[in-house]
Amino acid sequence: GENVEQHPSTLSVQEGDSAVIKCTYSDSASNYFPWYKQELGKGPQLIIDIRSNVGEKKDQRIAVTLNKTAKHFSLHITETQPEDSAVYFCAAGQNFVFGPGTRLSVLP
Amino acid sequence: SAVISQKPSRDICQRGTSLTIQCQVDSQVTMMFWYRQQPGQSLTLIATANQGSEATYESGFVIDKFPISRPNLTFSTLTVSNMSPEDSSIYLCSVVWGGGNTEAFFGQGTRLTVV
Repeated sequence: GENVEQHPSTLSVQEGDSAVIKCTYSDSASNYFPWYKQELGKGPQLIIDIRSNVGEKKDQRIAVTLNKTAKHFSLHITETQPEDSAVYFCAAGQNFVFGPGTRLSVLP
Repeated sequence: SAVISQKPSRDICQRGTSLTIQCQVDSQVTMMFWYRQQPGQSLTLIATANQGSEATYESGFVIDKFPISRPNLTFSTLTVSNMSPEDSSIYLCSVVWGGGNTEAFFGQGTRLTVV
């Protein structure tokens, strides 16, 4: 089955800086890669996703890149704001196997 | 986007008892899933709720412990049976609308504490 790793587990950045979170997956058949943001006491919120037929997707300050050959995909957040502070999860595979999560703290 | 409602939002239960969690969607969906999120951990898929038939369970989860119903395309329940403190977790309902879409959306979760 699918195995998803995620790094780093925690990330602190200054407001306005960029943040990058990387995930690797094991199943070369996986073709859909979402990213979720989870705030305290809430369910995960889908923030961006990418399919295997594209290498990059951008939505305002958020972008995701995919390298199918290397089997990794990354979340990029630019111009970070305090409200970006949350736990971020990647997922892959038909049954949405989740990575262990990254706790992002944006320091004002 | 459609609304996913979970009830209860939280509960404190005595060990040995059972709790049924409801997931209601305000439009028909293709797929419904149940996840467990232990404190400070990631999400683990418990099972896929199949409409009109038995749920499909992931390794490590069994029907006797986590019976699931899905009587129609907008509603599902997860029961946590014979609870122990180790069952204390957040339980999350997730849906996929289908029609070519693969995005999965989550409810707010049910925070369960077993004492």
